[in-house]
Amino acid sequence: GDSVTQMEGPVTLSEEAFLTINCTYTATGYPSLFWYVQYPGEGLQLLLKATKADDKGSNKGFEATYRKETTSFHLEKGSVQVSDSAVYFCALSEGGGTSYGKLTFGQGTILTVHP
Amino acid sequence: NAGVTQTPKFQVLKTGQSMTLQCAQDMNHEYMSWYRQDPGMGLRLIHYSVGAGITDQGEVPNGYNVSRSTTEDFPLRLLSAAPSQTSVYFCASSFDGAGNEKLFFGSGTQLSVL
Repeated sequence: GDSVTQMEGPVTLSEEAFLTINCTYTATGYPSLFWYVQYPGEGLQLLLKATKADDKGSNKGFEATYRKETTSFHLEKGSVQVSDSAVYFCALSEGGGTSYGKLTFGQGTILTVHP
Repeated sequence: NAGVTQTPKFQVLKTGQSMTLQCAQDMNHEYMSWYRQDPGMGLRLIHYSVGAGITDQGEVPNGYNVSRSTTEDFPLRLLSAAPSQTSVYFCASSFDGAGNEKLFFGSGTQLSVL
């Protein structure tokens, strides 16, 4: 079945540092890929998405490119802020109109940014 | 808009007790789902629904029941709580079933089973 693997955490950075969180996936067909973020005490919210190969999703300074050849969707940000401290989840859904609102999630990566 | 509303936010149960986690959405979404979140395991799908009257099992359905009598509501029932069901539970909804649109999540229910 489909699966998503994220880099081991937690990740601790200083403010303005460069961030990369690795994500690789296994799926049949042509999945859509997502990054969700969970701030303390809250539910998940969509950060960015890409629905086909070579698409780049971006939002709030975060970027990720859908790489079919390496089955990857790594999250990057050039300069993190303390307010970016959260848990980040990589996820996929089946493409082709059959996902029915279901996602397969990675295990999550805890990011802590210090001033 | 309220979005996706879950109640209660916290619950403590004794082994063998039953309870219902409530989930309601006001966005007229057809697709709703329940996930559990455990440390180091991400979110795992328990049950999902593609519309009123239609439900199906996800990855970890054992010990849970669902029903979908209306578009708005999708309650999750624990029939006989076990310590292994200690987790944080999230309800989610989406408008599109094709996999291209985002899920809207509730704020979660933290459940402890003693």
